[in-house]
Amino acid sequence: SQTIHQWPATLVQPVGSPLSLECTVEGTSNPNLYWYRQAAGRGLQLLFYSVGIGQISSEVPQNLSASRPQDRQFILSSKKLLLSDSGFYLCAWSYRDRKNSPLHFGNGTRLTVT
Amino acid sequence: AQSVTQPDIHITVSEGASLELRCNYSYGATPYLFWYVQSPGQGLQLLLKYFSGDTLVQGIKGFEAEFKRSQSSFNLRKPSVHWSDAAEYFCAVGAGIYNQGGKLIFGQGTELSVKP
Repeated sequence: SQTIHQWPATLVQPVGSPLSLECTVEGTSNPNLYWYRQAAGRGLQLLFYSVGIGQISSEVPQNLSASRPQDRQFILSSKKLLLSDSGFYLCAWSYRDRKNSPLHFGNGTRLTVT
Repeated sequence: AQSVTQPDIHITVSEGASLELRCNYSYGATPYLFWYVQSPGQGLQLLLKYFSGDTLVQGIKGFEAEFKRSQSSFNLRKPSVHWSDAAEYFCAVGAGIYNQGGKLIFGQGTELSVKP
């Protein structure tokens, strides 16, 4: 069966510090991968998605970037965090070869920028 | 552009009562619709999905949803709510196109509280 791992679960970082959140998927190949952010009371906002290694699409201009160095690894980064980067970050995957495959989510990372 | 509206931000029901969570979508073609549930501090779990066919779809945990094209709605229902159903519920619509990342557009969510 497929599993998705996200870490860390919680993170407190000062303003101006770098960020690296990691997500890995097991049990499937060539998945589509996604990073969503969930701010309090504001639903889910798609930040990035990837359909293959090195292929990243950005949905929202911002202080963050994403990379996909391996087929089942997706990394969310920032060089200098802002207070507004605080939120709950969710990684997800879907089947690339199935039309409208549901998204399967990790357990999320709670990021607090102080 | 696709959009999803969940009119109710917060709903409170008594345990054992019936539940209906509303979802309205805007999409020019045949929508692909989903309901997810999120417990506090957790990721989202898929409850059910609609792609085509029977407009009443059954999901996990006793939930069902009915697709009504004429009303652009996909409301989630449960006949008898349990205290463990307290969570946040998200409706989502899919873009319906291969290799655009299979992106989903989510509603703002409805928080469900259950009274004993």
